[in-house]
Amino acid sequence: QQQVKQSPQSLIVQKGGISIINCAYENTAFDYFPWYQQFPGKGPALLIAIRPDVSEKKEGRFTISFNKSAKQFSLHIMDSQPGDSATYFCAASGGTSYGKLTFGQGTILTVHP
Amino acid sequence: ETGVTQTPRHLVMGMTNKKSLKCEQHLGHNAMYWYKQSAKKPLELMFVYSLEERVENNSVPSRFSPECPNSSHLFLHLHTLQPEDSALYLCASSPDLLRISGANVLTFGAGSRLTVL
Repeated sequence: QQQVKQSPQSLIVQKGGISIINCAYENTAFDYFPWYQQFPGKGPALLIAIRPDVSEKKEGRFTISFNKSAKQFSLHIMDSQPGDSATYFCAASGGTSYGKLTFGQGTILTVHP
Repeated sequence: ETGVTQTPRHLVMGMTNKKSLKCEQHLGHNAMYWYKQSAKKPLELMFVYSLEERVENNSVPSRFSPECPNSSHLFLHLHTLQPEDSALYLCASSPDLLRISGANVLTFGAGSRLTVL
């Protein structure tokens, strides 16, 4: 019930391509869906987040698409760059007493020049 | 210094050793967390503190003992660990624990890489 399933585990994209990472959740009480980006040797950092009252949120080259009926959300990275190479985690929270985040397994993105 | 600082960055210990991980946040946040990061697994929440009070112990074995002397510092005391405890231990903070569902933006430290021999 509390799981967030993330795919793929790893992704290789050419520079300029589109990177797509998918997440699915089960708990219908979730109402906040952030994505975190982690570079090697660093901790995860908030990249972008969405609430279920909108179906899409865009910040620069990063877009979250949200499908409430399917209980799925995805991260799209347009015009992927080598500097985007990192591990990406989706997460979800809601329905608990303090907004506890449940994370997906992570996706290692490699963007080739 | 700014953000969340963790020390040491790397630690190697035997199963009979006792060591501690330290976390310090300079953000004025009231909530602090310990997460365990293992390869190909979701980040696992271990402990949550709010204003120095532990509000969650996520079924963590007693060989991990947290301590929060004030809202800026968090420790994880380690003793008689097992090789499967080898992982990256991440500390995080957030402005507050939210009492309603909603955005809870975490600021993470760079982590302490622990290897148990």
